[in-house]
Amino acid sequence: DTGVSQDPRHKITKRGQNVTFRCDPISEHNRLYWYRQTLGQGPEFLTYFQNEAQLEKSRLLSDRFSAERPKGSFSTLEIQRTEQGDSAMYLCASSPGVSSYNEQFFGPGTRLTVL
Amino acid sequence: GQNIDQPTEMTATEGAIVQINCTYQTSGFNGLFWYQQHAGEAPTFLSYNVLDGLEEKGRFSSFLSRSKGYSYLLLKELQMKDSASYLCAVRPVYGQNFVFGPGTRLSVLP
Repeated sequence: DTGVSQDPRHKITKRGQNVTFRCDPISEHNRLYWYRQTLGQGPEFLTYFQNEAQLEKSRLLSDRFSAERPKGSFSTLEIQRTEQGDSAMYLCASSPGVSSYNEQFFGPGTRLTVL
Repeated sequence: GQNIDQPTEMTATEGAIVQINCTYQTSGFNGLFWYQQHAGEAPTFLSYNVLDGLEEKGRFSSFLSRSKGYSYLLLKELQMKDSASYLCAVRPVYGQNFVFGPGTRLSVLP
């Protein structure tokens, strides 16, 4: 197992375009999280899945953002009509259902630049 | 509300000891985590505290006082590779999202 993977690692787009990011969690981790991180700040929570169910969404997740985890494995995060303020690192994390810590394991992130 | 505070930057010398503080006010508490993040990379897990006291893992130790809403990460025998951001994160509810602090950027000088 190679850990959490994200694709693409970098994305440059023009304002108004739609973008989609993919996250593949660690196998058998049933919890999956999306965070956004801007330079010099800690990650900010966006949304959380347990298996295929989206259980929590942050107020940060405007109606231009949508996330899915259709089969309870990989997840996608789509941003429609991108704005310059969407430029950030988008981090995905996964955690096992049961462990003493239930810590989150992070992927390398997708860096989005909106021109 | 949720609020986590950490110093923005710290500098220390190779071989020294450094303590990075974190204070928090969250709507619930089910564990405090410390992560290390090198520039441009993903955060990696360092330590976990859910009960008061000190947890030691090699050169890294983490302390928690729930009554004071306070934690610190202690790094001993600093190495150049310890130059990174250190993120304090609180999990308000088990299994759900973390609330992260802004991170402390540590520079280790020769």
